[in-house]
Amino acid sequence: AQSVSQHNHHVILSEAASLELGCNYSYGGTVNLFWYVQYPGQHLQLLLKYFSGDPLVKGIKGFEAEFIKSKFSFNLRKPSVQWSDTAEYFCAFLLTGGGNKLTFGTGTQLKVEL
Amino acid sequence: AAGVIQSPRHLIKEKRETATLKCYPIPRHDTVYWYQQGPGQDPQFLISFYEKMQSDKGSIPDRFSAQQFSDYHSELNMSSLELGDSALYFCASSLGGGTNYEQYFGPGTRLTVT
Repeated sequence: AQSVSQHNHHVILSEAASLELGCNYSYGGTVNLFWYVQYPGQHLQLLLKYFSGDPLVKGIKGFEAEFIKSKFSFNLRKPSVQWSDTAEYFCAFLLTGGGNKLTFGTGTQLKVEL
Repeated sequence: AAGVIQSPRHLIKEKRETATLKCYPIPRHDTVYWYQQGPGQDPQFLISFYEKMQSDKGSIPDRFSAQQFSDYHSELNMSSLELGDSALYFCASSLGGGTNYEQYFGPGTRLTVT
């Protein structure tokens, strides 16, 4: 079955530290990939997405992600985190030609300390 | 900009009762998705509608039903509620039912079954 794995369930960083959250998907075909963020008490918001083309995608708030097809990975990065980045981050994918439902990873809770 | 509206935001029901959750998509969006997020879990796709027709179905219990109305709003009806149905229910909407259309999420309805 298709699935998404996020390796880090809880991450604690100091402000200005660099961030990398891992995401691997399990599917042999073409997928559309997403990172969503859920701030405390708020709804899911799209950070960035990859459909095709340049495998390095840039999103909002200084986030970027790199799609590495050979590794089935779509890791999220940010060079310097801020306290306001404290949130839960979900990796997700859509199967092209396989309907329009998002399959989410289990999420990574990021806490940024001052 | 207008966002996805869900009502109610919070709902408390007893076992074996019924509940109706409502979702109002972003204006002109014709596709609605329902997701269930249990405590500490990732969102799980339940069902989606495109142009008032069911377009995809996920792990939705038979006790649940949903529909999309002529004004594109959607309702999720849940009967014979069980304790395990306690979760955050997200609705998302998109313009178009294909896989390349971004899904915008609502704030969710938190259902507590006692």
